[in-house]
Amino acid sequence: AQKVTQAQTEISVVEKEDVTLDCVYETRDTTYYLFWYKQPPSGELVFLIRRNSFDEQNEISGRYSWNFQKSTSSFNFTITASQVVDSAVYFCALSEASGTYKYIFGTGTRLKVLA
Amino acid sequence: DGGITQSPKYLFRKEGQNVTLSCEQNLNHDAMYWYRQDPGQGLRLIYYSQIVNDFQKGDIAEGYSVSREKKESFPLTVTSAQKNPTAFYLCASSPTGGVLSYEQYFGPGTRLTVT
Repeated sequence: AQKVTQAQTEISVVEKEDVTLDCVYETRDTTYYLFWYKQPPSGELVFLIRRNSFDEQNEISGRYSWNFQKSTSSFNFTITASQVVDSAVYFCALSEASGTYKYIFGTGTRLKVLA
Repeated sequence: DGGITQSPKYLFRKEGQNVTLSCEQNLNHDAMYWYRQDPGQGLRLIYYSQIVNDFQKGDIAEGYSVSREKKESFPLTVTSAQKNPTAFYLCASSPTGGVLSYEQYFGPGTRLTVT
């Protein structure tokens, strides 16, 4: 069965600290996609990244970076030099390449960046 | 500007009344989805549709109904049979076919309160 676990319910950091949000997933498929979304207080989910199961390269986008490790079924997200605007709920999601395009979401991690 | 609109942002209803939530997209996406979000929980899939005039139940379809008469529109009706309708409802869409079909784009959400 598919499952996404975000064990960190809430994290608080002081501005300019680095922070890593953990995501562990379970799937029996060999082909799947992993995602991170940001949900600011306004409520809309903002797409951050998609990673497919065949691409284990880490990715960096500005202050954001992602570490995908199939050996540990993890897809962790790091924010470097955090800013108050990074305060949001962050969701990790999994989609198996079965053609239904359905997502399984983790329960989210609320990040509070304090000035 | 392409995007997904959901209206209204806030909706209040009395218990026992059906209520319909609107979702419109101009991204020319074939697939559309409805999710429910409760505090401290991830998003749970209610219904999804990959093509006009066709839709499938998600994980928590009981007490909800949908229609897909047009590609752009995927309204969700919360019926009086839904035992706990108060929640935040998010609509999403995605293309179908190819790797981009696994990227879902979300609307701003509707917060429904039933008393």
